Amino acid sequence: GAVVSQHPSRVICKSGTSVKIECRSLDFQATTMFWYRQFPKQSLMLMATSNEGSKATYEQGVEKDKFLINHASLTLSTLTVTSAHPEDSSFYICSAEEMRNTIYFGEGSWLTVV
Amino acid sequence: QQQVKQSPQSLIVQKGGISIINCAYENTAFDYFPWYQQFPGKGPALLIAIRPDVSEKKEGRFTISFNKSAKQFSLHIMDSQPGDSATYFCAASIRGANNLFFGTGTRLTVIP
Repeated sequence: GAVVSQHPSRVICKSGTSVKIECRSLDFQATTMFWYRQFPKQSLMLMATSNEGSKATYEQGVEKDKFLINHASLTLSTLTVTSAHPEDSSFYICSAEEMRNTIYFGEGSWLTVV
Repeated sequence: QQQVKQSPQSLIVQKGGISIINCAYENTAFDYFPWYQQFPGKGPALLIAIRPDVSEKKEGRFTISFNKSAKQFSLHIMDSQPGDSATYFCAASIRGANNLFFGTGTRLTVIP
């Protein structure tokens, strides 16, 4: 099946710094990618929808200036957590839509802000 | 408002038994119903999916049953194995709208 790769899988950063997470579709072109956040033992919460070549659409309550999303190509979307704080520590997951309307998820990225 | 309701929250099944997880939805515009399996510390993996033009889809030990009139769908795991222990999420989406609406998840534990 289609593969979506996320990098890094784990990252620790200092409070106040920024961290970038990459999401790549390895064997298909994804015009649409999605970013989710997941707290322990909870379901995935959609943060934003990223369309190649245009601005991301953010869900209500998600700060677009804090969570910068760039979808520069059909195979790459990035999420940058700016001025990270400990409360931003979470599991971030991306997904990408294949042409057959099937959505595949990345492995996720653990962010710890200390 | 939870678009997709999932139950039970947790499930314990003996090895070899049948695991059944249920989901219900309200929005009749949903036309794609995937199930995801998530192991601790990993992203969700697509397990099996169904569209409303069929009432059942089977892939190996995994079967989705879909009841369009009741707006319900369920995942059946036959001959459950300890390796099936994971959290399972049902989801729904509208073709063209792209984003998935997730259920709250079911933590399955299969005991030897």
